[in-house]
Amino acid sequence: AQSVTQLDSHVSVSEGTPVLLRCNYSSSYSPSLFWYVQHPNKGLQLLLKYTSAATLVKGINGFEAEFKKSETSFHLTKPSAHMSDAAEYFCVFFDRGSTLGRLYFGRGTQLTVWP
Amino acid sequence: EPEVTQTPSHQVTQMGQEVILRCVPISNHLYFYWYRQILGQKVEFLVSFYNNEISEKSEIFDDQFSVERPDGSNFTLKIRSTKLEDSAMYFCAISGTNNEQFFGPGTRLTVL
Repeated sequence: AQSVTQLDSHVSVSEGTPVLLRCNYSSSYSPSLFWYVQHPNKGLQLLLKYTSAATLVKGINGFEAEFKKSETSFHLTKPSAHMSDAAEYFCVFFDRGSTLGRLYFGRGTQLTVWP
Repeated sequence: EPEVTQTPSHQVTQMGQEVILRCVPISNHLYFYWYRQILGQKVEFLVSFYNNEISEKSEIFDDQFSVERPDGSNFTLKIRSTKLEDSAMYFCAISGTNNEQFFGPGTRLTVL
């Protein structure tokens, strides 16, 4: 079955330190993977996407993610956290096997950034 | 990034009442999706809609749910007889060019 697993429900970092949010996927197909961010009381914003081009994907706000097939991972990173990065982050899988491609969401990782 | 609006932003209703949630993409789209997020749980797919027909639906999307595009622009999700467990954020989404989807701000549905 196709799925994504976010390994941490909560991550806390200090402002200015690196961020690592972990995601593993399971897929029979070559996957499309995304990271979305949800700020409090806001909608879901696309952060970045992997669609089988470059394995290192750059997104908005300085975030990037690397697709590693050997590890079935798509971890999200940022070199230096900012207070405004505090939000919930979702690793999302696109199901190529479904008719119109439903998205499967991970459970989310709540990122807290301390001053 | 394509823009999607949703109305209302918050809907409070009594159990057993019907609610209609609306989604309006700014530009013309053929592919629409509804998802929901129960508080504290993951975002779940409800239904996909293409060219005025349901393309795929999840096990959550039972007979009390329906979708339609009544006037060629609005895209609606109707819940016929709401239950307490329908309380959630409901997100509309439209498709992008690389399998991504762009989400509206959501409607928070509270069933009392």
